[in-house]
This record gives sequence, structure tokens and C-alpha cells, in this order.
Amino acid sequence: QQQVKQSPQSLIVQKGGISIINCAYENTAFDYFPWYQQFPGKGPALLIAIRPDVSEKKEGRFTISFNKSAKQFSLHIMDSQPGDSATYFCAASKGGYQKVTFGTGTKLQVIP
Amino acid sequence: DVKVTQSSRYLVKRTGEKVFLECVQDMDHENMFWYRQDPGLGLRLIYFSYDVKMKEKGDIPEGYSVSREKKERFSLILESASTNQTSMYLCASNRGLGRGEQYFGPGTRLTVT
Repeated sequence: QQQVKQSPQSLIVQKGGISIINCAYENTAFDYFPWYQQFPGKGPALLIAIRPDVSEKKEGRFTISFNKSAKQFSLHIMDSQPGDSATYFCAASKGGYQKVTFGTGTKLQVIP
Repeated sequence: DVKVTQSSRYLVKRTGEKVFLECVQDMDHENMFWYRQDPGLGLRLIYFSYDVKMKEKGDIPEGYSVSREKKERFSLILESASTNQTSMYLCASNRGLGRGEQYFGPGTRLTVT
């Protein structure tokens, strides 16, 4: 059962453009939504995370937008750079003694 | 600097062999996790452990077992490897389970022939 649906599976963006990755969840009990970034040959690393009590969180060029009523959240990468080329995973959890459910991943390629 | 290390980056085993994947973390984290990563399927949780000698099944535990005898070490065991267990295996650890940042190792690429 896929509890977190992520799209697109792959994305090509020109340098300087905006990269947008979307995720949708089903379980309304989820209350923590992190994004992980994975470079080739490395394990994923936390990029940015949001709680459902805010609609947006920004860290540098990375922004999470959260729509609680639609059960959707998205990652926006402004001024995308070739160094942002990586696989991005959205995730969701209920906190406490609960595991994290990951999306299927988006492979982003930023071309010069 | 936080660190999660995995015993092998690449491993090739034969069908039916018993396989051990080792993971060590140096952050004194209570919780440790084993995932497998497959294209188009993302990260799927196999098992996790929230304390020494404690373990919980994840989403895909069939064909796997785990061992956690010491806080810093979490082992994944394939009792009888099969070709459908060819995958990238990632270990992670954290403090705070569901809301805690997970720190991942570099992964072990296992090929079962």
C-alpha cells in the first residue's frame, strides 16, 4: 500500500529554473513531512522538513509548500543548479513510536 | 561528524547463501533501520530496532531477519539469499523515531546470482 505518492519520477530542469516535486499522502494522522536528498553513491540526507501547522517553510533556495486540506506537499528548488542534481525523496510519519514512510523518489537533473 | 558505516559497498552472493550485512553508528542513537532501495519503489523499510535486542517488522520483512546485540550495531541477515533480494540496502539511525532526522549509511549493493 503506497501511502505517499511522489511525482514525477524524473525531472530535467535548466540551470536557473525552478524544480518542483509533488507528493500526496493518504493518512491524515501524519504530522511530520521531511524531504531527503541523495547523491549518487551516497545515502539519503535530510534536506528540509515541515509540520502541518505551517503552510510553507523556506531554507535558502529550497521551499516546502504544504496543503493540509488537499493532503499534498511539494518541494520547490529555486534557481536550480547542476549541483542540485540528485534523487529527492519525500516522506511522512506520525511521530512518536512510528516509522517513516518514503515516496518513490524523483531523479532531478539540472542541465547547464 | 555523525557517521553510519556499512560493512561492504558491493557484495555478490549465490542463491541459497546466508548473507550478513553489518551496520555501525557512532552517534549513540537508540533507533536503527534497514531499508532496501529499488528503482521506482523508493525506500522500503525491512526492519527497525528501537533498543538493544528489540526489533520490529517493517513493510517487507519476509526473507530477512535482524540482530541487535549492541546499541551501535544492527545486522541484517538473509537466511537463504534469492535473486529477488538483489538490491541496494541502506542502514539508518536516529533519535526520536518518527520525527527524528535519519542518518543513512552509504549503502550496500547486493547482487544475488
